[in-house]
Amino acid sequence: EPEVTQTPSHQVTQMGQEVILRCVPISNHLYFYWYRQILGQKVEFLVSFYNNEISEKSEIFDDQFSVERPDGSNFTLKIRSTKLEDSAMYFCASSYYQDRDSEQYFGPGTRLTVT
Amino acid sequence: AQRVTQPEKLLSVFKGAPVELKCNYSYSGSPELFWYVQYSRQRLQLLLRHISRESIKGFTADLNKGETSFHLKKPFAQEEDSAMYYCALNTDKLIFGTGTRLQVFP
Repeated sequence: EPEVTQTPSHQVTQMGQEVILRCVPISNHLYFYWYRQILGQKVEFLVSFYNNEISEKSEIFDDQFSVERPDGSNFTLKIRSTKLEDSAMYFCASSYYQDRDSEQYFGPGTRLTVT
Repeated sequence: AQRVTQPEKLLSVFKGAPVELKCNYSYSGSPELFWYVQYSRQRLQLLLRHISRESIKGFTADLNKGETSFHLKKPFAQEEDSAMYYCALNTDKLIFGTGTRLQVFP
C-alpha cells in the first residue's frame, strides 16, 4: 500500500540555521499539508498546498516558513532561520480530494530539534 | 471558534472493559469528524469518520450535534488497542484535539 514518506526522521540544527524537511506524498494525491506537534501539545495545521500554490496557512506559518513542490514527487517545508520554539515533530500529509470527509494520509514525521 | 476538546489525557482500563474516549467540538457549520490513532512508533492513521458510520476494530463513534460530541466507544478493550487517539474536525484542514492515551492492561 502506498505511503507518505518523510526525510530525515530526525534533524538537529542550531538556532538561526535553515532547514529543509522533505516529504514524498502518495503519487496520485493532489493536496498536500504540513502539520507540527510541539512536545506535549496538539497536532497543529501549518499549511495546505494544491496546484503549486498555498491554499491555506495558519498564523504559525509566518515569513520564515515556505513550502515548495520542486518536482513531481517531493514536497518540502523550509524554515529559514530556526528558533528554539520551532523544535517539534513535523508531519506531512496528503489527500486525493479536499472534501471535508476525505482522509488525509500522514507520514511518519520528522523530529526537528533546534539547539 | 473552531475547536476540538479531548478532556482526558490518559485512560487506563483492563482488557475486556468498555472504553469511551470523549471528544467535544465547537464548529458553526455541519461538522465532519474523524478519529485518528497513533500506535507506538507508527504514524497517525485514520480510525474512523462519522460520515461512514462504520465500526473499525470494534470501535464506533456517534455524532451528537445537540451535545456537540463525537465520543469513541468500544465495548471490550483489547491490549492491542493501547495507543494515542486523536479526535479531529475537518474544515479542509484538520483541527485536532490534544489526544487521549489509552492504556489497556492485561
